[in-house]
Amino acid sequence: AQSVTQLGSHVSVSEGALVLLRCNYSSSVPPYLFWYVQYPNQGLQLLLKYTTGATLVKGINGFEAEFKKSETSFHLTKPSAHMSDAAEYFCAVSYYGNNRLAFGKGNQVVVIP
Amino acid sequence: EAQVTQNPRYLITVTGKKLTVTCSQNMNHEYMSWYRQDPGLGLRQIYYSMNVEVTDKGDVPEGYKVSRKEKRNFPLILESPSPNQTSLYFCASSSTGTGVGEQYFGPGTRLTVT
Repeated sequence: AQSVTQLGSHVSVSEGALVLLRCNYSSSVPPYLFWYVQYPNQGLQLLLKYTTGATLVKGINGFEAEFKKSETSFHLTKPSAHMSDAAEYFCAVSYYGNNRLAFGKGNQVVVIP
Repeated sequence: EAQVTQNPRYLITVTGKKLTVTCSQNMNHEYMSWYRQDPGLGLRQIYYSMNVEVTDKGDVPEGYKVSRKEKRNFPLILESPSPNQTSLYFCASSSTGTGVGEQYFGPGTRLTVT
């Protein structure tokens, strides 16, 4: 079964500092990987995705993530945090031909002025 | 505008009173799914549907029913709600054509069962 691990339910970051959210997955076959963001009182929206090709993926709002097969990781980064980045972030995995998504438990990001 | 809509957005009900949460998408997606979101547990899949008249259990199906009579609609039915079904519910849809699995989410329905 697919599983996704996100460590640290709450992450505090200073405004202007690096945002780093870690995601590891368990898989015996190459997955498709996603990061979703959920702003307060809203649904989830896609931040970025990895399917095939270039392992460094750029998303919206300055976020990017790198797929590292050897480490089974897909960590999310943003060089400089902004107050508007305060939200909950979810890593998710699926496999080709299977639309089902398995989600991590999420990281609640708090940005400190 | 491409979107997934859910109704109602907020619902407070009592134990045992049947309810239905509607979900509709206008993107002609084959795949639709229901999730519940609980603090510290992330999103867990309740049921999903690969196409009309094709539904299957997700990870936490107990106490829920679904139907898929039309491609655009995928209602979630709680025939006898209990307090442990108090949660935030999301409907999502995606195309099965590419196999990528990127899903589009509705705005959520916050359900409280007393």
